[in-house]
Amino acid sequence: AQSVTQPDIHITVSEGASLELRCNYSYGATPYLFWYVQSPGQGLQLLLKYFSGDTLVQGIKGFEAEFKRSQSSFNLRKPSVHWSDAAEYFCAVGEPGDYKLSFGAGTTVTVRA
Amino acid sequence: ETGVTQTPRHLVMGMTNKKSLKCEQHLGHNAMYWYKQSAKKPLELMFVYSLEERVENNSVPSRFSPECPNSSHLFLHLHTLQPEDSALYLCASSQEWGSRLDTFGSGTRLTVV
Repeated sequence: AQSVTQPDIHITVSEGASLELRCNYSYGATPYLFWYVQSPGQGLQLLLKYFSGDTLVQGIKGFEAEFKRSQSSFNLRKPSVHWSDAAEYFCAVGEPGDYKLSFGAGTTVTVRA
Repeated sequence: ETGVTQTPRHLVMGMTNKKSLKCEQHLGHNAMYWYKQSAKKPLELMFVYSLEERVENNSVPSRFSPECPNSSHLFLHLHTLQPEDSALYLCASSQEWGSRLDTFGSGTRLTVV
C-alpha cells in the first residue's frame, strides 16, 4: 500500500517570497500524484496532478510541482506567494487504475505581510 | 463553487440524536464519496458509491449509514454518535469509479456533544 509524508506541519512565508512544500511517497511503481489546497472552512480544491510524461507539472494559481522518481518526491512550488495562498495543502497518491487516494497529513501555510 | 454542494455547513448534535448530511452534484459524475477529516490527520475514505451501488466501506462503524438514492445525491445518516466523531465530513465526486477524484464539496463541520 502506498503512503504519503508531508514533513512540514507548518510553514510561514513572507508575501512575495517563494514557497516550497515537500511531499514524499512510498509506492513500488510510478503513482498518480496530486496536490490539493484547502482554505479555512472550505473543501479541497485540486491544484495539479501528475499521471505521466513531463515531470514538471503546472497547476492553477501559479503553482507547479516536480516529480522526482529517484527521490520519491513531488514537491509543490510557487515563485511568489500572495496573502490568499494562506491555507492547508495536501499531497495525495493514487495507484494507476484505482480510485483510492492516500493523503498526507497536510502542511499549513501562513503568509505574513 | 465546485459543483458539489453539501448541507448543512455546520451541525451540532447530541449523542442520542439522529441527523443526516446531504451531498448533491449536478456534474454528471457517476461516483460519489464520503471522507472524514479530523484535525491533523490524513483524510479517511469512508464510503464509495458507483452508479448508486456501494463499492467501498472502509470499516466504518454502523452508526454511520450512507444512502445514495440516485447518481446526483448522497446522504450520510448519523445516529448515536460519539464525541470522537466530531470532524469535517467531505463529499466528493468523480466521473466514474476508477477515474481521478478531483471535485470536493465544502464539507459539513460536525460537532458531537
